[in-house]
Amino acid sequence: AQKVTQAQTEISVVEKEDVTLDCVYETRDTTYYLFWYKQPPSGELVFLIRRNSFDEQNEISGRYSWNFQKSTSSFNFTITASQVVDSAVYFCALRNYGQNFVFGPGTRLSVLP
Amino acid sequence: DTAVSQTPKYLVTQMGNDKSIKCEQNLGHDTMYWYKQDSKKFLKIMFSYNNKELIINETVPNRFSPKSPDKAHLNLHINSLELGDSAVYFCASSPADGGTAEAFFGSGTQLSVL
Repeated sequence: AQKVTQAQTEISVVEKEDVTLDCVYETRDTTYYLFWYKQPPSGELVFLIRRNSFDEQNEISGRYSWNFQKSTSSFNFTITASQVVDSAVYFCALRNYGQNFVFGPGTRLSVLP
Repeated sequence: DTAVSQTPKYLVTQMGNDKSIKCEQNLGHDTMYWYKQDSKKFLKIMFSYNNKELIINETVPNRFSPKSPDKAHLNLHINSLELGDSAVYFCASSPADGGTAEAFFGSGTQLSVL
């Protein structure tokens, strides 16, 4: 069975602080894909990044970075120098090959000015 | 052009009514989905559909039914609406590649059952 856990329900930070959103997943498959989505207050779901189970290379893209560790089944997401516009609910998702997307419960990030 | 569009954005209706939400994607994707997001923001798969197969989440009441007139459309019909059906419903699509690509989501339909 697939499962995604985001232990942090809500996080509040002050603008310009760095913040890491945690994601832990469970799957028995060896081929799977991990995603992060952002849902701003306007409600749409915005794709941020995907990783497959064979690519543990971590990446930095602007203020965003991702840390994928198969050994701990974690796929964490960090925002550097947070901004008010980063305030949103962030979802981690898992997809086994040929199956549906399974989403975590989300982490609500509030960035205060 | 919007990649995945769904209408209406807001739907307010009385208990017992039947309603539909339309979804269209212009990405040429083979797989489409309906997700339900409850008041606590949990996103749960309701259906996935490609040219060959409809996969239904067994927890979805049979009052909900997807209708796909063609590959680009997957509409959601709901019969005998109940208060608990109030939620945001998202349509999404992805290529039929098994999993490598992300899903593209519509902007959501907020359903309120009174």
